[in-house]
This record gives sequence, C-alpha cells and structure tokens, in this order.
Amino acid sequence: EAAVTQSPRSKVAVTGGKVTLSCHQTNNHDYMYWYRQDTGHGLRLIHYSYVADSTEKGDIPDGYKASRPSQENFSLILELASLSQTAVYFCASSDGGQGEVFFGKGTRLTVV
Amino acid sequence: GDSVTQTEGLVTLTKGLPVMLNCTYQTTYSPFLFWYVQHLNEAPKLLLKSSTDNKRTEHQGFYATLHKSSSSFHLQKSSVQLSDSALYFCASAYQGGRALIFGTGTTVSVSP
Repeated sequence: EAAVTQSPRSKVAVTGGKVTLSCHQTNNHDYMYWYRQDTGHGLRLIHYSYVADSTEKGDIPDGYKASRPSQENFSLILELASLSQTAVYFCASSDGGQGEVFFGKGTRLTVV
Repeated sequence: GDSVTQTEGLVTLTKGLPVMLNCTYQTTYSPFLFWYVQHLNEAPKLLLKSSTDNKRTEHQGFYATLHKSSSSFHLQKSSVQLSDSALYFCASAYQGGRALIFGTGTTVSVSP
C-alpha cells in the first residue's frame, strides 16, 4: 500500500526557533504536498512539488520554506516559528491532481 | 479564484437516518471533485471522486453526483452508521490539476 511517513509526529518548538518537518514517500509519486489543518479552515496548501529540486508556492506559503532533495523526500521548514504556526501539518503524495492523494499521519506542531 | 464551499460545520444525527453533506465549487480548471474522510486522529483518506457530469459515483455506501450546471458535488448516504462519525472534506483539483483545494470540512456525529 502507498506509504507517506512523516517525522516527527509531534513537536513543541520555541517562538523564533527553527523547525524542520520531514516527509518520505515510497509511492514513486512525482507530486508531494504540505498541507496545514486548523479547525474551521480545513486543509490549506502551503507548498508542493512535482519534481526534485523544485518547489511551488501554495495558498499560504508565508513563513514557510520547502525543500525537495529527491523524489522520495520533501521537507517543510519554519525558519522563525511563530505562535500562529501551531497546527497539524500533513504531508501527502500523488501522481497528479486528478489521482488519489495519499496523506501521512500528520505532525502536531505546538509553538510556545 | 478557485474555492470549495461546505456549508455545514457540524451534522448530528441518529444511526439509521440519511445524511447529505453539501459541497459547491468554483474552479478555473476542468472540474474534478473528491470527497475525503478523516476519522479521529487519522489521516484523510479518499472516499470517492468524479469528473463525469451527472453520473452517480458510489463507495462504501456513500454516493455523490457531479452537477456541473450547479457546480455541486453533494455527498449522501441513505443510512448512517456509528462508524461514519468523522470529518468529511470536499476537494477540487486546481493549480492546473497539480493539487487539491479543500473545503473547510463537515463533522458528522452519529449517535445510537
């Protein structure tokens, strides 16, 4: 079965600190995504990528950077974490926008 | 711009009753609609999808019909079970088909 693995599964970060969320997929998918989930906002796209060494901005990219060093790996980087970035983050992969998107189990990030 | 609207935030009902969750969309891309379900503390998973106008799509007792004339893709089930308690997201392909945009989600709570 398709697999998307996120690490860490939960993290507490200090305001102003740097946070890196990692994602690894074994689906051989070209597309990878980072979504943020907040109550009342659903899932919002932060960054995505459809080829290694290239990333695209989603709807809410401010305060986030992304890195796709290989087809299998996709990281989300918060250079200066802020309280407003407390949320659950989902990594996902697919073979294209019309195909099924497979999600990881999520990372619960708390910024204090 | 592209958007997906789910009007109900919370739906509470008794086991055995029918349910309908509303979803309307605006897209600059050819319509390709999805329903995802997320059980508590789990990742969202695909429930069903469609790009064919006026054709009913079914999966696990749920069904939906894409109506391009009204830009709608409502999710229905004729008899809900306790296990249907979950968060349901409607989503549409966007960004030229490269990603999904999600609605805010509808929580379904089924009581005995």
